[in-house]
Formats: sequence, C-alpha cells, structure tokens
Amino acid sequence: DTAVSQTPKYLVTQMGNDKSIKCEQNLGHDTMYWYKQDSKKFLKIMFSYNNKELIINETVPNRFSPKSPDKAHLNLHINSLELGDSAVYFCASSLVFATNEKLFFGSGTQLSVL
Amino acid sequence: KQEVTQIPAALSVPEGENLVLNCSFTDSAIYNLQWFRQDPGKGLTSLLLIQSSQREQTSGRLNASLDKSSGRSTLYIAASQPGDSATYLCAVRRNEKLTFGTGTRLTIIP
Repeated sequence: DTAVSQTPKYLVTQMGNDKSIKCEQNLGHDTMYWYKQDSKKFLKIMFSYNNKELIINETVPNRFSPKSPDKAHLNLHINSLELGDSAVYFCASSLVFATNEKLFFGSGTQLSVL
Repeated sequence: KQEVTQIPAALSVPEGENLVLNCSFTDSAIYNLQWFRQDPGKGLTSLLLIQSSQREQTSGRLNASLDKSSGRSTLYIAASQPGDSATYLCAVRRNEKLTFGTGTRLTIIP
C-alpha cells in the first residue's frame, strides 16, 4: 500500500484555470506538508498542517489554498493558474510536528501551465 | 537565512567504488539533518536522519556524518551499485522549517 499518495500524477492546464491536487496518507500521521520543486530541482515548503490546523504558510500567494478535511488528507487548490506555477508539487507527512521526525513523501504531481 | 549547498551537482562513479557526497549549510543552529534520495518521477525517500547531538548515523552501506560547528555533512556510500543511481538531497531542520539543498545527481556506471 502506498503510504503517501497524490493525484493526479500529471496535470496540464491553461493559464487562468483553477485546479486541485489531492493528497492522502495512510500512516496515521498527524502532520502533512506541501512542497514545491522548481525547474532547478530546489524544494521549498509551502504549507504545513498539524491535525487539520495550519501551522506553516511560507509566503505563498493566496491563490494557493490548502484544505485539510481530516488529518489523513491535505488537498491543494490553486486559483487563476500562472505560468510560474509550473513545477512538481510534493505532499509529505510526519508522525507528529516535531523537529526529530522523518518526513515521508508522495511521488509528486507535475503541474504544467500553458 | 539558511542556505544549503551540495557539491558536486552531478557525479559518475564506476560500480563497486566507495563515494562521498557533500552537504554544507550556513546556519549551524540546526535540530537535525536528513539525507533523502529522489528517483526520476518519484518522491523522496528518507535515508538517514542525524540529530544535532549526533556525529553519524549508519544504515547498511550508507553512513552519514554531521559536523555542526563547521556546517558540513557527508553521505558515504560503500561498494556502490547501479541501483544507487538517483539524486541525493540533504535537508536541515531549524524550528519548523526544513531547508533542502539542490541535490547531487549520482550515476553508477556498471
């Protein structure tokens, strides 16, 4: 069974559209994250939720809105997509929000905005 | 602001050789350092996590060291295999933030 799963794996869309990426973890973890990996392969945190509550919002445009219906899910909704949003988006989770916890990553969603 | 650098960006090594990947960071006030591998089109897999109070961690053929005062970590891979080919990323944690390096793309030549 996949521990952290994201859908879709690939997403191609036009500028100005609204799209969502879904993430689910079956590890029983309390904390979930969204990371963005740009074309230079640099990974940067976007959001972190602990037990459905937002704890990190790393200066991401408010076109990006995470939603956590329960602690096993953290979905990312993006409004008015721009060319610069093209990247690979990774969901991750950790057991708790603690500094010594390992992160477990999903396989990524490659978003291409045309 | 924490900056994490990995040099070289790419490395090719014949199968069977031992190798070392390097990671350096600018702010030594970290909680831990984690090494990941990323396979093409896939997510990251955590390899080793070293707490700030530790000097090294070992898992199988992998050994990671941490010298916090000098802002450096190394990942040693013994007896390399073609299956080790991947991009290796280090990440340092301070408070709630995990800062990643840009990775070293490793190719093991059969």
